[in-house]
Amino acid sequence: DAEITQSPRHKITETGRQVTLACHQTWNHNNMFWYRQDLGHGLRLIHYSYGVQDTNKGEVSDGYSVSRSNTEDLPLTLESAASSQTSVYFCASSDRDSTDTQYFGPGTRLTVL
Amino acid sequence: GESVGLHLPTLSVQEGDNSIINCAYSNSASDYFIWYKQESGKGPQFIIDIRSNMDKRQGQRVTVLLNKTVKHLSLQIAATQPGDSAVYFCAENILGTYKYIFGTGTRLKVLA
Repeated sequence: DAEITQSPRHKITETGRQVTLACHQTWNHNNMFWYRQDLGHGLRLIHYSYGVQDTNKGEVSDGYSVSRSNTEDLPLTLESAASSQTSVYFCASSDRDSTDTQYFGPGTRLTVL
Repeated sequence: GESVGLHLPTLSVQEGDNSIINCAYSNSASDYFIWYKQESGKGPQFIIDIRSNMDKRQGQRVTVLLNKTVKHLSLQIAATQPGDSAVYFCAENILGTYKYIFGTGTRLKVLA
């Protein structure tokens, strides 16, 4: 069955380190998204991609970057981790249109000490 | 698990009763709305959606009601089951854009 996976599921890192969170989908979806989820906030969009070689900034993109070299993967990199980036991160994918259902991965809990 | 919600509003219902979860959305220009379910340790899962040209839409045991006048959305779950225990949140969207605004959610607890 098609699915979307994230790794690692849990990560503890130190301030200033570079961290990369992986997202892999086998739906063959064009669109992929990264969100963070924090207490008191709904999901907030970090970056998104409409297809290979396309990336776009979301509402909370500072300190994060993504690259889309193939259809299946959209890794999220924290260039220099900060304590404010402690959060739960979700990757999602959808087929083509903005109203196509977004399928979410299981999440990665990141703690920055 | 991979979810947040220690301080979420909580709705407790008896198994078999109907549940109503409410959401106030923020943007009067939003014209597409979704309800998600998020179980502990899992990512959000699509439940049902509705476009602004509708007031009501029904799925299997779930109904979404939209009141554009007061910017209010509700999710009704019929005959609530233990498996319905989760955090539920709404999302709003302007059609044609990838910008979704997500609510913070309500925790539903089903009492046996």
